Amino acid sequence: EVQLVESGGGLVQPGGSLRLSCAASGFTFSSFWMSWVRQAPGEGLEWVANMKPDGSEKYYVDSVKGRFTISRDNAKNSLYLQMNTLRAEDTAVYYCLVAASARGGFDSWGQGTLVTVSS
Amino acid sequence: DVVMTQSPLSLPVTLGQPASISCRSSQSLVYSDGNTYLNWFQQRPGQSPRRLIYKVSNRDSGVPDRFSGSGSGTDFTLKISRVEAEDVGVYYCMQGTHWPWTFGQGTKVEIK
Repeated sequence: EVQLVESGGGLVQPGGSLRLSCAASGFTFSSFWMSWVRQAPGEGLEWVANMKPDGSEKYYVDSVKGRFTISRDNAKNSLYLQMNTLRAEDTAVYYCLVAASARGGFDSWGQGTLVTVSS
Repeated sequence: DVVMTQSPLSLPVTLGQPASISCRSSQSLVYSDGNTYLNWFQQRPGQSPRRLIYKVSNRDSGVPDRFSGSGSGTDFTLKISRVEAEDVGVYYCMQGTHWPWTFGQGTKVEIK
C-alpha cells in the first residue's frame, strides 16, 4: 500500500524558515518524480514544486521560486521542502504527492502538514 | 500560466438527480505526446483530495461509475449521473500539461 506521511509543519514568524519532510513507502520511491501541493485554509489547491528522481530537474511555481527548495533522499525514501523567507500567504496544508498523479499514474495523498506563518 | 475556470462554483443538487461541472482551460491541454492531462479531484469535508478521473475520461480504481469525464482541447465536463450523499464536497479540475500545473477554483457540491 502506498503511503505518504508529511511532517514538519508548525507556527513560524514571517521571514522565518521551516523544513517539511515526507516519508514514502509502498512503491519504488527512487523511480518517481515527486511533488509538493498546498492548500491555504478554506481555499483551493496549488501545485508548488516537482522534482525528478535523480534530482537533476526541479520546477517551482512562481510564488515560491527563490524561497523554497525541493529535495530528496532516495536512500531514505524521503522528500523535503525547505521553505525560507516565509510569508503569511504561505500559510497552508502542504501535501507530498507522486507527480505522476497529474499524468495518469497512481494517486495517493497523505494527511498533509499545516504551516502557519504569523507573528 | 494556464488558467482553469470552473462553473458553477456552487452546485446544490437533489439526491438522485444528475450534476454537471464545467471546466475550461485558457490553452489547449493536449501535450506533445498526444495525451490530454486533465484530471478531476474530489475533496470531501475534512479529508485530503483524491483523484476521480485522469486523462479526461479515465475513472480511477474504486470510483463509482456514476462519475464520468468528457471533453477535449480546452473544454471539459465532470458528470455525476445520480448524486448520492457521499458525493458532497469540493471538486477540482486540474491540468498536468503545462508547467506550472494548475487547478480550477473548485466547485462545491451540496445536497438541497
